[in-house]
Amino acid sequence: ETGVTQTPRHLVMGMTNKKSLKCEQHLGHNAMYWYKQSAKKPLELMFVYNFKEQTENNSVPSRFSPECPNSSHLFLHLHTLQPEDSALYLCASSQGVDSGRAVTGELFFGEGSRLTVL
Amino acid sequence: TQLLEQSPQFLSIQEGENLTVYCNSSSVFSSLQWYRQEPGEGPVLLVTVVTGGEVKKLKRLTFQFGDARKDSSLHITAAQPGDTGLYLCAGAASGTYKYIFGTGTRLKVLA
Repeated sequence: ETGVTQTPRHLVMGMTNKKSLKCEQHLGHNAMYWYKQSAKKPLELMFVYNFKEQTENNSVPSRFSPECPNSSHLFLHLHTLQPEDSALYLCASSQGVDSGRAVTGELFFGEGSRLTVL
Repeated sequence: TQLLEQSPQFLSIQEGENLTVYCNSSSVFSSLQWYRQEPGEGPVLLVTVVTGGEVKKLKRLTFQFGDARKDSSLHITAAQPGDTGLYLCAGAASGTYKYIFGTGTRLKVLA
């Protein structure tokens, strides 16, 4: 139990479906992240939110839409995905920025949501 | 673009053997972390190194940060089947909390 919970753990969707991945952290952290993990590729940073503000968007296609309503919750809305989007999507949190200074601390990961796009 | 290259990509060894995994980059990092990921789980932090030349030990695992803070190594002594997993290094540039992950080393320790 890392304090970061992701749901659902497994998701199968067609290319025309709309679904969402949810992440919740109980650690009091201020930064939350979405990473994509595909076979034979490094963990890819997708989005970073710090204090609910999006600070990174790593050239992610618009069919992925993040939402961070508060510092404890993070969503990834999915629509018209492609089969190559099938991967493990990992959510993580960290302490984040404090008083304007970045705090490079530990990343706490959830167990991931395994997405299969048919 | 910051890249972290890990070597070897795959490693299969017998229980009791020693091994070293490398993490290299052309970029300077303010801190570097090592994670281990087991099937069906997210990565879990093993160690963070922040000072050039720093050496940290965690039981049978020894971590070193390069003097120039561009590379790191992980050495495992007398490997055990429980060490099996995907080892990932991750670096953060100074003044950011944007962690970039390495290509990963998949280790299998046979009993």
